[in-house]
Amino acid sequence: SQQGEEDPQALSIQEGENATMNCSYKTSINNLQWYRQNSGRGLVHLILIRSNEREKHSGRLRVTLDTSKKSSSLLITASRAADTASYFCATDGGSNYKLTFGKGTLLTVNP
Amino acid sequence: ETGVTQSPTHLIKTRGQQVTLRCSSQSGHNTVSWYQQALGQGPQFIFQYYREEENGRGNFPPRFSGLQFPNYSSELNVNALELDDSALYLCASSRERGGQETQYFGPGTRLLVL
Repeated sequence: SQQGEEDPQALSIQEGENATMNCSYKTSINNLQWYRQNSGRGLVHLILIRSNEREKHSGRLRVTLDTSKKSSSLLITASRAADTASYFCATDGGSNYKLTFGKGTLLTVNP
Repeated sequence: ETGVTQSPTHLIKTRGQQVTLRCSSQSGHNTVSWYQQALGQGPQFIFQYYREEENGRGNFPPRFSGLQFPNYSSELNVNALELDDSALYLCASSRERGGQETQYFGPGTRLLVL
């Protein structure tokens, strides 16, 4: 079963605009991770935020976490055509071994 | 490039057959996890191997089994293939077990069951 739900399911923007994707989850977590996947290939780790953190930055990425609302957001600033991909959030759900992924947001950045 | 490799890249099998998928972990990683990703869905956890022992299992039947070798590479075996087993199979390695670890994914093996 899917733990997280990304919103929106699909997002289409112009190059240079910002893209915001949201993730909601159901159980308590130790951390939340965001991954990116190009065209049904392997996933690439983007950023990890721990449950005691509220915001984290990495380059053009900004992630927020609100554990009271069980939600997270991923902001990509100044998007590029190369950012076109599916983005997934993944939570550990308090588990010591597995990640549970949402269904993902398909981001299309038009040149 | 994550340093995680998988073979084969594509595979076509018929219902009832058996398949073995292989994964080489990144150097220095002792943990391998396997995921199944159906079309349009997120990856679903199958199981994890840590230092050659199964460390946890998702909601998959026993016909999904695995191995991890002393060099930490791993195999996923699926017996009695069903049409619904058609999916992208991803392996991921990490430095240690645990959900707090960053997982490094391979490019996947796309399996089609006819």
